[in-house]
Amino acid sequence: EPEVTQTPSHQVTQMGQEVILRCVPISNHLYFYWYRQILGQKVEFLVSFYNNEISEKSEIFDDQFSVERPDGSNFTLKIRSTKLEDSAMYFCASSERNTGGTQYFGPGTRLLVL
Amino acid sequence: DQQVKQNSPSLSVQEGRISILNCDYTNSMFDYFLWYKKYPAEGPTFLISISSIKDKNEDGRFTVFLNKSAKHLSLHIVPSQPGDSAVYFCAASAQIIQGAQKLVFGQGTRLTINP
Repeated sequence: EPEVTQTPSHQVTQMGQEVILRCVPISNHLYFYWYRQILGQKVEFLVSFYNNEISEKSEIFDDQFSVERPDGSNFTLKIRSTKLEDSAMYFCASSERNTGGTQYFGPGTRLLVL
Repeated sequence: DQQVKQNSPSLSVQEGRISILNCDYTNSMFDYFLWYKKYPAEGPTFLISISSIKDKNEDGRFTVFLNKSAKHLSLHIVPSQPGDSAVYFCAASAQIIQGAQKLVFGQGTRLTINP
C-alpha cells in the first residue's frame, strides 16, 4: 500500500541553524501539507501546497518557514533559523483530491532545537 | 480558537465492549470529518471519514455518526480490542474554491482497552 515517507526520523540542531525536513508524498496525490505537534498538544496545520504554490498557511508559518517541491516526488519544509519553540514532531501529509480528500500522514520527523 | 473539541482527554473501556469517542465543532462551514488513530512517535493513521451529506458511515468495527444540528460527531468501536489502545483525533475540513483543504484537529482522546 502506498505511503507517505519522511526523512530524517529525528533531527537535533542548534538554535539559529537551518533545517530541511523531507517528505515523499503518495505518488498520484496532488495536494500536500505540513503539520506539527508540540509534545502533549494537538496536531496543528502549518501550510498546504497545490499546483506548485502555497494554498494556505497558518500564523505559525512565518518568514522563517518555506516549502518547496523541487522535483516530481519530494516535498520539503525548510526552517531558516530555528528557535527553541520549533521543537516538535513535524508531519507531512498528502491527498489525492481537495474536496472530501482523505489526508494520509507520514511517520513524522522529531525536531529538537537546543 | 478551538473549532474542534474533544472534551474527554481519556477513556478506559473493557475489551469486547463498545468504545464511544466524542467530538464537537463550532465552524458550520466544515463539510468533511475524519477520525485518526495515533500511536506515540508515529504519524496519524486514517480510520474513517464522513461527509456532511451523510449522518452515518460504517467500516467494519468502526462507525462514525454525524449530528449536524448539534455540531457533534462520534466514533463507535465495537467490539473494542486491546490493539485499539491509542490516541484518537477528530479532524474537520471546510471546502474551499481551489487549493488544498487544511484539517483542523481536536486535542485527542487517549483510549485504553483493558483486557
